[in-house]
Amino acid sequence: DVKVTQSSRYLVKRTGEKVFLECVQDMDHENMFWYRQDPGLGLRLIYFSYDVKMKEKGDIPEGYSVSREKKERFSLILESASTNQTSMYLCASSTTGVGANVLTFGAGSRLTVL
Amino acid sequence: QKEVEQNSGPLSVPEGAIASLNCTYSDRGSQSFFWYRQYSGKSPELIMSIYSNGDKEDGRFTAQLNKASQYVSLLIRDSQPSDSATYLCAVNANYKLSFGAGTTVTVRA
Repeated sequence: DVKVTQSSRYLVKRTGEKVFLECVQDMDHENMFWYRQDPGLGLRLIYFSYDVKMKEKGDIPEGYSVSREKKERFSLILESASTNQTSMYLCASSTTGVGANVLTFGAGSRLTVL
Repeated sequence: QKEVEQNSGPLSVPEGAIASLNCTYSDRGSQSFFWYRQYSGKSPELIMSIYSNGDKEDGRFTAQLNKASQYVSLLIRDSQPSDSATYLCAVNANYKLSFGAGTTVTVRA
């Protein structure tokens, strides 16, 4: 069974802390994505990557950075967490071509920043 | 204006009825349209994709696309309690997938 695994389901951090959210996929997918999901706002794209060491800004990249050193792993970094970054974070992956929009999502990481 | 807008719901329908979900999008150049389903506490999963004007049927689900009106819809026929979920409309625009806020459907037994 194909999987996207997010390392932490629940995290509680303090304002100003550096936060790492890890995502690993075992499908050999080229594309990987980080979304955040908030009530009433839906899924908003933070960053995505089409290949190793490549990254592209999504719609709301401010306050976030990403790292993709290996094909299977895509990390989201909050350099200095703020309370408005309290959210559910969803990682997803997809293949290229006609499958590029068929996203497989991880279980999500719920981050609370105090 | 949001790129993808959905009727906010929630939508409550009796078992066996038709649930109708609507979605509009702003980028006239969009070519690919999708419906994802998200059960409470779970991640979204793809249930339908549509690329051409008209209807596309898959079991009890029918997706409808009207590019001239920039409108996508999803019909769920013979609604079942297991259809109770949030349905997310997604549109490919500028090489990325943009999602609507979702419509929550509750099917009453």
